[in-house]
Amino acid sequence: DAEITQSPRHKITETGRQVTLACHQTWNHNNMFWYRQDLGHGLRLIHYSYGVQDTNKGEVSDGYSVSRSNTEDLPLTLESAASSQTSVYFCASSVSGGYNEQFFGPGTRLTVL
Amino acid sequence: KQEVTQIPAALSVPEGENLVLNCSFTDSAIYNLQWFRQDPGKGLTSLLLIQSSQREQTSGRLNASLDKSSGRSTLYIAASQPGDSATYLCAVQTYNTDKLIFGTGTRLQVFP
Repeated sequence: DAEITQSPRHKITETGRQVTLACHQTWNHNNMFWYRQDLGHGLRLIHYSYGVQDTNKGEVSDGYSVSRSNTEDLPLTLESAASSQTSVYFCASSVSGGYNEQFFGPGTRLTVL
Repeated sequence: KQEVTQIPAALSVPEGENLVLNCSFTDSAIYNLQWFRQDPGKGLTSLLLIQSSQREQTSGRLNASLDKSSGRSTLYIAASQPGDSATYLCAVQTYNTDKLIFGTGTRLQVFP
């Protein structure tokens, strides 16, 4: 069955370190998204991609970057981790063209000390 | 800018009750609206998707309606069960993008 996976599921890191969160989907979807979920803010969009070599900033993109070298993967990099980036991160994917459901991964809980 | 609001923020009901969760959005130009369920410490599970041209969708004991002109959607849960306890999120896909804008959710507890 097609699925979307994230790794690691839990990560503890120190302030200033570079961290990369992996997202892999086997749906063959063109669209991929990264969200963060925080109490009181719900899910907020960090970055998204509509296809290979395409990346776009979401509403909370500062301090994060993504790259899309193939259809299946959209890794999220925190260039220099900050305590404010402690959160739960979700990856999602969908078929392009509107009107389509987004499917979510299980999430990565990141703690920055 | 699209804003999505969910009321109430939390709800506690006895088993067997029929209940309604509300979602409102400020921009009626949407492709679709999705309802999700999230269990504690888990990811999001898609429950229902209503396209902008539709008025409602049903899946088992769940029924979601959409009134695009008034910027409202409701999720109706019939004969609630303790297993329905979770956070329910609604999200809208604004017209001309594939992005979702989420509400902050309704935390539902159904007690036996």
